[in-house]
Amino acid sequence: GESVGLHLPTLSVQEGDNSIINCAYSNSASDYFIWYKQESGKGPQFIIDIRSNMDKRQGQRVTVLLNKTVKHLSLQIAATQPGDSAVYFCAEPAGTSYGKLTFGQGTILTVHP
Amino acid sequence: NAGVMQNPRHLVRRRGQEARLRCSPMKGHSHVYWYRQLPEEGLKFMVYLQKENIIDESGMPKERFSAEFPKEGPSILRIQQVVRGDSAAYFCASSPGFGNEKLFFGSGTQLSVL
Repeated sequence: GESVGLHLPTLSVQEGDNSIINCAYSNSASDYFIWYKQESGKGPQFIIDIRSNMDKRQGQRVTVLLNKTVKHLSLQIAATQPGDSAVYFCAEPAGTSYGKLTFGQGTILTVHP
Repeated sequence: NAGVMQNPRHLVRRRGQEARLRCSPMKGHSHVYWYRQLPEEGLKFMVYLQKENIIDESGMPKERFSAEFPKEGPSILRIQQVVRGDSAAYFCASSPGFGNEKLFFGSGTQLSVL
């Protein structure tokens, strides 16, 4: 979905479908990217990361794709489950410390049983 | 092995009061980061601390906000003379440092200013 004003992008899927969440980044010098999942009332939880010398990285049911040409990052979730419902953020280091992160605005994923 | 512990989970203050938010990093972690999250926004970096040192406070408001990470005890984020605009969720994260900066976040403190 598209974001308008203060509303976060949203993605609604059926249980069992594959989900794709997108993120654009602005700093072409960024060499490390992370995806976080944030459930309601909780802190962000690390999902997967990727370095700029890679185009793709796979985890358990998740895949991150990096397109440096267009500065685009995507998170693919296979066989989405209701427990995957959350807000998903991409993040990149804001400086020399990888702990100082710049977060994207987030995408709300809702999985319907 | 407990994760990052933050307390209180919820904090209500009236305008002009002080808010003190505490964070105990994961065992073995010496680097602490504080982030603030406004409704329907991503997290914004505030400050990065190591034991007894502030490394980067570029995200801290110039007035009323301070942070510390003493040799003993938790990291403290202190907000003096709170205003309604300070209402937000404040998250602490820790990392081992020494080249491993993967962040582990606490569950946050929700600050509400009346």
